[in-house]
Amino acid sequence: SQTIHQWPATLVQPVGSPLSLECTVEGTSNPNLYWYRQAAGRGLQLLFYSVGIGQISSEVPQNLSASRPQDRQFILSSKKLLLSDSGFYLCAWSDRDTEAFFGQGTRLTVV
Amino acid sequence: GDSVTQMEGPVTLSEEAFLTINCTYTATGYPSLFWYVQYPGEGLQLLLKATKADDKGSNKGFEATYRKETTSFHLEKGSVQVSDSAVYFCALSDAGNNRKLIWGLGTSLAVNP
Repeated sequence: SQTIHQWPATLVQPVGSPLSLECTVEGTSNPNLYWYRQAAGRGLQLLFYSVGIGQISSEVPQNLSASRPQDRQFILSSKKLLLSDSGFYLCAWSDRDTEAFFGQGTRLTVV
Repeated sequence: GDSVTQMEGPVTLSEEAFLTINCTYTATGYPSLFWYVQYPGEGLQLLLKATKADDKGSNKGFEATYRKETTSFHLEKGSVQVSDSAVYFCALSDAGNNRKLIWGLGTSLAVNP
């Protein structure tokens, strides 16, 4: 069966520090992969999605970036965090014929 | 482009009340439609789905019918429980858009005992 792993679950980082959140999927191949951010009390904001290795679409301009070095690995990064980067980050995957499956999320607090 | 519009919350109900959360969509093709639920501090979980017109998705007492004529997928439950308190998201997946998921903004539901 398919599973998705996202880590860490919580993270507190100072302003200006780098960020790396990792997401891996098991049990499927060539999935669509997504990074979302959810600010407190707000809906989902799609940050990046990927339909294949090295193929990244950015939905909003910001100081975040994403990479997909392997088929089932999706990484969200920043060189220098801002206070406004605080939020709940969710990784998800979907197949061509299925719904999306979400990781448990990472609560990022930038201080 | 594709879009999803769902009713704004928060919605506050008493236990055993009837629930409706409206969701309408626009899509260029024939999308699949989904309702997801997010409990506090957790990721999203699929609640139900429908893949073609007139399909009815159902799960845990929740239902939604894919209405192509009104481009709607309203979520309903006949008798809510306190444990249903969560945020509910409507979404679509369109093959014509590379199966990219399009989301509504979410509706927060609070059920009081």
